[in-house]
Amino acid sequence: GIQVEQSPPDLILQEGANSTLRCNFSDSVNNLQWFHQNPWGQLINLFYIPSGTKQNGRLSATTVATERYSLLYISSSQTTDSGVYFCAVEDGANNLFFGTGTRLTVIP
Amino acid sequence: EAQVTQNPRYLITVTGKKLTVTCSQNMNHEYMSWYRQDPGLGLRQIYYSMNVEVTDKGDVPEGYKVSRKEKRNFPLILESPSPNQTSLYFCASSRYGSGNTIYFGEGSWLTVV
Repeated sequence: GIQVEQSPPDLILQEGANSTLRCNFSDSVNNLQWFHQNPWGQLINLFYIPSGTKQNGRLSATTVATERYSLLYISSSQTTDSGVYFCAVEDGANNLFFGTGTRLTVIP
Repeated sequence: EAQVTQNPRYLITVTGKKLTVTCSQNMNHEYMSWYRQDPGLGLRQIYYSMNVEVTDKGDVPEGYKVSRKEKRNFPLILESPSPNQTSLYFCASSRYGSGNTIYFGEGSWLTVV
């Protein structure tokens, strides 16, 4: 399957700080998604972004498909942003391959 | 409301005792899949199904079985669970084809002792 690498593995931020999470993938992909897993284990889809840039409130994402990476930006972080952020890429058969995640802790 | 429902949400069982984790979706999706999540490894695909009676192995199928007799249901079967199958399991569904939103269930925490 497609290899997906995320960095950094762990990140601790003061509330109000900004951060950038990175996702590299090993092959051409049909799609790329970012997920947030909250402390209760729920997976929440943040962005569906095969290429280009999207913004949703304090979060934005950019995917450069030709260079096989995607970035997730979190601005003015809040404690509710804590959790694990996953990048997942989709092959030609609808299958998702996940990175190992970035664990974000936002402290007040 | 669009939903993927898994049961049970939490289970502690003993080695060798067969169990089934059910998954049901109400969106008439063709595609369904199972993942397991382990610390430091992210989510890995166990099995997937592109439609009724069509199933295929993912990255980590050993020790698991699935069936897809109806479009809405995709149960995960552990015939003889072992401690290394202790994990958090997710079921997911989507319409078949690229670019469709994938919906995840809330997860099933399984402990095998």
